[in-house]
Amino acid sequence: GAVVSQHPSRVICKSGTSVKIECRSLDFQATTMFWYRQFPKQSLMLMATSNEGSKATYEQGVEKDKFLINHASLTLSTLTVTSAHPEDSSFYICSALIGGIYEQYFGPGTRLTVT
Amino acid sequence: GENVEQHPSTLSVQEGDSAVIKCTYSDSASNYFPWYKQELGKRPQLIIDIRSNVGEKKDQRIAVTLNKTAKHFSLHITETQPEDSAVYFCAASWGGNKLVFGAGTILRVKS
Repeated sequence: GAVVSQHPSRVICKSGTSVKIECRSLDFQATTMFWYRQFPKQSLMLMATSNEGSKATYEQGVEKDKFLINHASLTLSTLTVTSAHPEDSSFYICSALIGGIYEQYFGPGTRLTVT
Repeated sequence: GENVEQHPSTLSVQEGDSAVIKCTYSDSASNYFPWYKQELGKRPQLIIDIRSNVGEKKDQRIAVTLNKTAKHFSLHITETQPEDSAVYFCAASWGGNKLVFGAGTILRVKS
């Protein structure tokens, strides 16, 4: 099956610093990648949709200047949380789509803790 | 936009019994309805999905039914086992694009 990796799996950073999370499709080219955020005991909420070579589309209420998304290739998308604050602490999960297939392939997630 | 409601929020069943989780969606254009199982701290795992051109799909102990007219779909797990205990999410999308998730159901299977 299609494999998606994320790095790092866990990160702790200080308030005010920036953190970059990588999402890679290991054995396929992803036409589209998605970024989700999941707070404890809550559902997954879509943050943005990312297509290679174009600007990401952000969901309502998600600050594009705070959550920078770069999709430089068909196998890599990055999410940078800028000027992180404790309220940004969450589980960030990416997923990837193969063109013509409805199933999304999820990465293992990144646990971000901002102190 | 799409809105997905999921019930119940928690479900406790005795091992061997059946479990049913129900979801409703609002956007009649949605045509793809996956179900995910998520264990603590892990990624969502696709357990079954259904497209709008099909009314029912089964995979061993798991089945999903879809009623397009009423805009609701359900997950059925038969002969539940302790390892079925997890959080289950339904979701809806159009053409496999952005998924809108339900709030989740905590399933506890008591042995």
